Amino acid sequence: GAGVSQSPSNKVTEKGKDVELRCDPISGHTALYWYRQSLGQGLEFLIYFQGNSAPDKSGLPSDRFSAERTGGSVSTLTIQRTQQEDSAVYLCASSLAARGSGYTFGSGTRLTVV
Amino acid sequence: AQRVTQPEKLLSVFKGAPVELKCNYSYSGSPELFWYVQYSRQRLQLLLRHISRESIKGFTADLNKGETSFHLKKPFAQEEDSAMYYCALSGLSGGSNYKLTFGKGTLLTVNP
Repeated sequence: GAGVSQSPSNKVTEKGKDVELRCDPISGHTALYWYRQSLGQGLEFLIYFQGNSAPDKSGLPSDRFSAERTGGSVSTLTIQRTQQEDSAVYLCASSLAARGSGYTFGSGTRLTVV
Repeated sequence: AQRVTQPEKLLSVFKGAPVELKCNYSYSGSPELFWYVQYSRQRLQLLLRHISRESIKGFTADLNKGETSFHLKKPFAQEEDSAMYYCALSGLSGGSNYKLTFGKGTLLTVNP
């Protein structure tokens, strides 16, 4: 597609439920990133996929968070047993794996845990 | 470790006044620096990158390696510049990983 697509755009879930967030990157972009945007916290890195390399999971806040990328394209971020502190906007971005190329961001998924 | 610091959470100026959004970074290698902008109800988008040495929407930013800074400047602010601005740093992080580290952002308000 023309841009990075994320779905759903909004998600309200009950505490303790699992949620799945989807990201469809720009065709041809080999790098894919997930970030979390919270008020006053800026953008917090979660996970990074690059081609067939092992993902960089160093930013995942707990083992309730996981992500996968199938076929080098679409990615799914899963949060198990959601907590209220998980409420945030989850942003996906993709880029060419080249120095200085910059990211293209999706419009995000606003997650609210009630 | 790589770190980006934006010391001002909020910045308010009047239309036509000069504006400078500060950004300092910490990185031991040769970094790439970026500014991203998020207008109200829009997605985060790249404003400019230091490697291009470009001016976008009247904004410029110069990488000062001695002061480890990448401040964003515009001589005459416009109301449509009101937005959240993020400074970001990309550095090699294991192999060829070009992970971006963001500052916490500065909310710029340009008053009429």
